[in-house]
Amino acid sequence: EVQLVESGGGLVQPGGSLRLSCAASGFSFSSYWMTWVRQAPGKGLEWVANIREDESEKYYVDSVKGRFTISRDNAKNSLYLQMNSLRAEDTAVYYCARGGLVPDYWGQGTLVTVSS
Amino acid sequence: DIQMTQSPSSLSASVGDRVTITCRASQGIRNDLGWYQQKPGKAPKGLIYAASSLESGVPSRFSGSGSGTEFTLTISSLQPEDFATYYCLQYNSYPRTFGQGTKVEIK
Repeated sequence: EVQLVESGGGLVQPGGSLRLSCAASGFSFSSYWMTWVRQAPGKGLEWVANIREDESEKYYVDSVKGRFTISRDNAKNSLYLQMNSLRAEDTAVYYCARGGLVPDYWGQGTLVTVSS
Repeated sequence: DIQMTQSPSSLSASVGDRVTITCRASQGIRNDLGWYQQKPGKAPKGLIYAASSLESGVPSRFSGSGSGTEFTLTISSLQPEDFATYYCLQYNSYPRTFGQGTKVEIK
């Protein structure tokens, strides 16, 4: 069974940093692109970033470029999102998802709240 | 960036109704479009990819069509478990972009 479990969310002050993790199981993690998507409270879905199987390609939405870094560790079956210089508008549930085109399996999300 | 515009933003329907949701792209995206269903407090669930291909396990009452700039998601006979918010996603170019969502409510 495919499972994606996010962790690392929490309350952080504006300008702070947070690192999200996504533990994958039930499939060959190293064979898939992976994606982060976020959803602000009461709002729609926003694609954030994705990463190729071997990390050779990474793409970001403009609003996080230069502040967020997506990475992965295929030996640990894990996906990461390093978030720096956080802003109030980054407050959202962050989902990791399998796939780089139409992500098919999603985790349950981790809530990031940026507030003083 | 490619803008995805869904209509309507919300609709009220009854069990058994036929429901159609439209997604328009600001430029042509071939058939590089997916549809998702999201229920409150839950992660999105994939319904359709490549505009018209059903994901494994998705009931056949769901169907997708379109190409280029206009796409539709149709639910042929609305069931109680279908009341949710639906999103389209274009994956033709970066950044990927979602529509703003269509909330399907019980009439």
